[in-house]
Amino acid sequence: GAVVSQHPSRVICKSGTSVKIECRSLDFQATTMFWYRQFPKQSLMLMATSNEGSKATYEQGVEKDKFLINHASLTLSTLTVTSAHPEDSSFYICSARGWPSYEQYFGPGTRLTVT
Amino acid sequence: GESVGLHLPTLSVQEGDNSIINCAYSNSASDYFIWYKQESGKGPQFIIDIRSNMDKRQGQRVTVLLNKTVKHLSLQIAATQPGDSAVYFCAESLRDNFNKFYFGSGTKLNVKP
Repeated sequence: GAVVSQHPSRVICKSGTSVKIECRSLDFQATTMFWYRQFPKQSLMLMATSNEGSKATYEQGVEKDKFLINHASLTLSTLTVTSAHPEDSSFYICSARGWPSYEQYFGPGTRLTVT
Repeated sequence: GESVGLHLPTLSVQEGDNSIINCAYSNSASDYFIWYKQESGKGPQFIIDIRSNMDKRQGQRVTVLLNKTVKHLSLQIAATQPGDSAVYFCAESLRDNFNKFYFGSGTKLNVKP
């Protein structure tokens, strides 16, 4: 099946710094990638949708200047958490979909801890 | 946002028994439904999906049932094994925007040996 990787799997950063998370589709071309956020014991919340070569579409309440998304190629999307604060600590999960499939293939997630 | 919720937050079953995890949705325009399994510290893993033009779909040891009349979705796991222990989420997308998946709150399945 389709494989999606994320890097890093865990990251600890200090408050005020920026962190970049990579999401890669390893064996297929991802026309669309999605970024989710998950708090402990809660469900996944969609943050944004990105199509290759165009600007990301953010969900209501998600600050686009804080969560920068780049989808520069059909196999790579990045999420940069800028000026991170402790409340940004969460599990960030990406998923990828290749046209014309409906199915989203999820990455293993990145645990971000902001101290 | 759309409402996709679960009836039972936790479910404990004995190894070898069948498990049934339920999910309710609120939008009659929902067109595509998916069940995911998520183990601790990992991303969701696709289990099975179903389109709204179907009532039932079977996979290996899993069956998804869709009742559009009462807007209810269920996942049946046959002969539950310890490796099935995880949190299960249903997700839904709408006919006019299959980009967005709305996830339910999740059910934790505990399989007792």
